[in-house]
Amino acid sequence: DIVMTQSPLSLPVTPGEPASISCRSSQSLLHSNQYHFLSWYLQKPGQSPQLLIYLGSYRASGVPDRFSGSGSGTDFTLKISRVEAEDVGVYYCMQALQTPITFGQGTRLEIK
Amino acid sequence: EEQLVESGGGLVQPGGSLRLSCAASEFIFSHYWMSWVRQAPGKGLEWVAMIREDGSEKYYVDSVKGRFTISRDNAKNSLYLQMNSLRAEDTALYYCTRSASRAAYDFWGQGTLVTVSS
Repeated sequence: DIVMTQSPLSLPVTPGEPASISCRSSQSLLHSNQYHFLSWYLQKPGQSPQLLIYLGSYRASGVPDRFSGSGSGTDFTLKISRVEAEDVGVYYCMQALQTPITFGQGTRLEIK
Repeated sequence: EEQLVESGGGLVQPGGSLRLSCAASEFIFSHYWMSWVRQAPGKGLEWVAMIREDGSEKYYVDSVKGRFTISRDNAKNSLYLQMNSLRAEDTALYYCTRSASRAAYDFWGQGTLVTVSS
């Protein structure tokens, strides 16, 4: 199984400041189609998860451009250029390269 | 507006069975891989099972193999999860999700709660 490791697990951020979350996989997530099967999700309090980033760096429909994804191979990063209060919640990375599909442990972003 | 509405959750004794359903609307259901993802109380996300657009391929996490069966009825725009031999560790909120290319889950239902307890 591919193990997904996120850091940090807790992230206090001042509004307007940037934030960054790391996700590392135990195997490369590069598919034969040359895309990385890595996606990011935000689960706001009391809500279902929502897709933020897919294929490593593509923003999902309706996602603000302050969110960006980068990385390759086994190392990926989600960046928020300027954190807003509505960004509070738990962020998960997920690999879909092979089954079982696996998620990171989650990173809880809170506002200072 | 696209919708995924789960139902069928509830309280069941260990060893019991439940059948979850997910009703899809406002999108072409038969064009999507569909999955079940669960979240134990206060815990993270765990992928459970996945089924191809036409039902010809099915995949499961090891912990549910032989106990859970995923299925779909494209004529009824519905996804199912038959859960047998339920254990306390199956207690979770079960989400129905879709993906267009297996690469990511772009839409999630609100979930249905399954509680396994005596």
